[in-house]
Amino acid sequence: DAGVIQSPRHEVTEMGQEVTLRCKPISGHNSLFWYRQTMMRGLELLIYFNNNVPIDDSGMPEDRFSAKMPNASFSTLKIQPSEPRDSAVYFCASSAGTGSPFFGQGTRLTVV
Amino acid sequence: AQSVTQLDSQVPVFEEAPVELRCNYSSSVSVYLFWYVQYPNQGLQLLLKYLSGSTLVESINGFEAEFNKSQTSFHLRKPSVHISDTAEYFCAVSYTGTASKLTFGTGTRLQVTL
Repeated sequence: DAGVIQSPRHEVTEMGQEVTLRCKPISGHNSLFWYRQTMMRGLELLIYFNNNVPIDDSGMPEDRFSAKMPNASFSTLKIQPSEPRDSAVYFCASSAGTGSPFFGQGTRLTVV
Repeated sequence: AQSVTQLDSQVPVFEEAPVELRCNYSSSVSVYLFWYVQYPNQGLQLLLKYLSGSTLVESINGFEAEFNKSQTSFHLRKPSVHISDTAEYFCAVSYTGTASKLTFGTGTRLQVTL
């Protein structure tokens, strides 16, 4: 298995633009997580899905952030409009059952 | 709410020396505990985990961690580090039965030098 695949690896965008981050979980995993990593706040759980259904989105910072999981093999995290303070590395992770999650390599987002 | 404290943000150590990275958690209920490692520009990789059973768990590359319930700690140790161990190490906790939803510490940067 290729592991959790995230795209793009790097994204530079201007403030106010829409940004979409993509994730393909490991086949057979039924839980998917979006994390954000910054120097100031460390790793924060934004949202997680179980069987494609959002279970806990309490970590989503504000309405500018939204996440979807239309099927078991794909998820998106969208920021609209983006702001400089959204600059961070965004990780997607997936797990099977109650197992520990496997992480993708992350998307480094820079909003200028 | 769960919280994880990693007391040291950076730990410099010479190659072949022993190292301990400290981790304490706040939860009073049964927990699962994890250590992840992050190499530069990469995602997090699971190093080892405690779910139940023996309180001493080991990784394939010589790290070990001991679950100490009375001290609510899960410190990571290695008797002799290598240059290639230079990385960021994250301790994480979850409630029993939900090993997937993790709360992470702020990380400890292990810098191994010659």
